[in-house]
Amino acid sequence: GENVEQHPSTLSVQEGDSAVIKCTYSDSASNYFPWYKQELGKRPQLIIDIRSNVGEKKDQRIAVTLNKTAKHFSLHITETQPEDSAVYFCAASYGQNFVFGPGTRLSVLP
Amino acid sequence: DTAVSQTPKYLVTQMGNDKSIKCEQNLGHDTMYWYKQDSKKFLKIMFSYNNKELIINETVPNRFSPKSPDKAHLNLHINSLELGDSAVYFCASSYRAAGDTQYFGPGTRLTVL
Repeated sequence: GENVEQHPSTLSVQEGDSAVIKCTYSDSASNYFPWYKQELGKRPQLIIDIRSNVGEKKDQRIAVTLNKTAKHFSLHITETQPEDSAVYFCAASYGQNFVFGPGTRLSVLP
Repeated sequence: DTAVSQTPKYLVTQMGNDKSIKCEQNLGHDTMYWYKQDSKKFLKIMFSYNNKELIINETVPNRFSPKSPDKAHLNLHINSLELGDSAVYFCASSYRAAGDTQYFGPGTRLTVL
């Protein structure tokens, strides 16, 4: 089945700097790649997603890139703010399954 | 007008007891899920239902039994609770069974003593 790896597991950046989180997946049939943000004690919420027919997608300070050949995709957050501090999960969807990565704890230091 | 709701929010119980967690979505979605999030924050899918039919049943103990009375509800019943069942359980829903955004409920923190 699908296996999703995510790096780094923890990431600390200074406010205003950029943060990049990378995920790799194993099943070339996966065609939908969402990113979820989970704040402490809250539910995971979608922040951006990308489908396999697109290489890049941007929404204000957040962008996602996808390399289907290498089977990896990345989340880019620019101009980080303290409220970006959370756990971020990538996921890969194939068939009727949805596999999440293990998460990255992002800390934005003021 | 909460999209995906779960009850209860917190559940504290003794080992060996049986408990249920309820989930409802008012988004008109066809597919609902149960996830378990352990202390290390790893999100693992347990079950998925599409139009009241089970489509994903990951390797979970038989003590866990999902029930979907209609496509807006997916309840989780757990028999003979064990210490290792302590976790946060999230319900989620999506429009279709694959390749669609999943909307999560607020979670139920289950603590087994």
